[in-house]
Amino acid sequence: DAGVIQSPRHEVTEMGQEVTLRCKPISGHNSLFWYRQTMMRGLELLIYFNNNVPIDDSGMPEDRFSAKMPNASFSTLKIQPSEPRDSAVYFCASSLYRDAGELFFGEGSRLTVL
Amino acid sequence: SQQGEEDPQALSIQEGENATMNCSYKTSINNLQWYRQNSGRGLVHLILIRSNEREKHSGRLRVTLDTSKKSSSLLITASRAADTASYFCAGTGANSKLTFGKGITLSVRP
Repeated sequence: DAGVIQSPRHEVTEMGQEVTLRCKPISGHNSLFWYRQTMMRGLELLIYFNNNVPIDDSGMPEDRFSAKMPNASFSTLKIQPSEPRDSAVYFCASSLYRDAGELFFGEGSRLTVL
Repeated sequence: SQQGEEDPQALSIQEGENATMNCSYKTSINNLQWYRQNSGRGLVHLILIRSNEREKHSGRLRVTLDTSKKSSSLLITASRAADTASYFCAGTGANSKLTFGKGITLSVRP
């Protein structure tokens, strides 16, 4: 298996633009997580899905952020409009079980908002 | 709530020495996991220890868990330059969410 695949790896955009980050989890995994990593705040859980259904989105910073999982093999995290403080590395991770056994992380999407 | 605060924040050792990293957490957990992150890469799972376990080994890794003190330690024996990375602990609480600490930066000098 290729592991968790994220795209794009790097994104540079201007404030106010829409950003869409994509994730393909490992086939057969039932849970998918979106994390954000910054130097100041470390790794923050934004949202997680189980069987394509959002279970907990309490970590989503504000209404500018939205996440979808239309099927078991694809998820998106959208920021609209983007702001400079959204600059971070966004990680997608998947796991076989909902109760957070081992997480398999993608390589991340580094977002810079100018 | 923070389910993982690592100590020290940074550690520098000579190749061949042992590295000990500590983690504390605040609320009850079902399990605690340790992850490694190389610069510019995603996190990689190292080891998971359940709340009813006290010690676990995997290769050069040894993890202990003390639920009474709400703490865990990760020992890497006979360190290598390739062990240079950031290490994170993460606890799974009753809400099933895995919450990470801010990590420990380990530098192993050749």
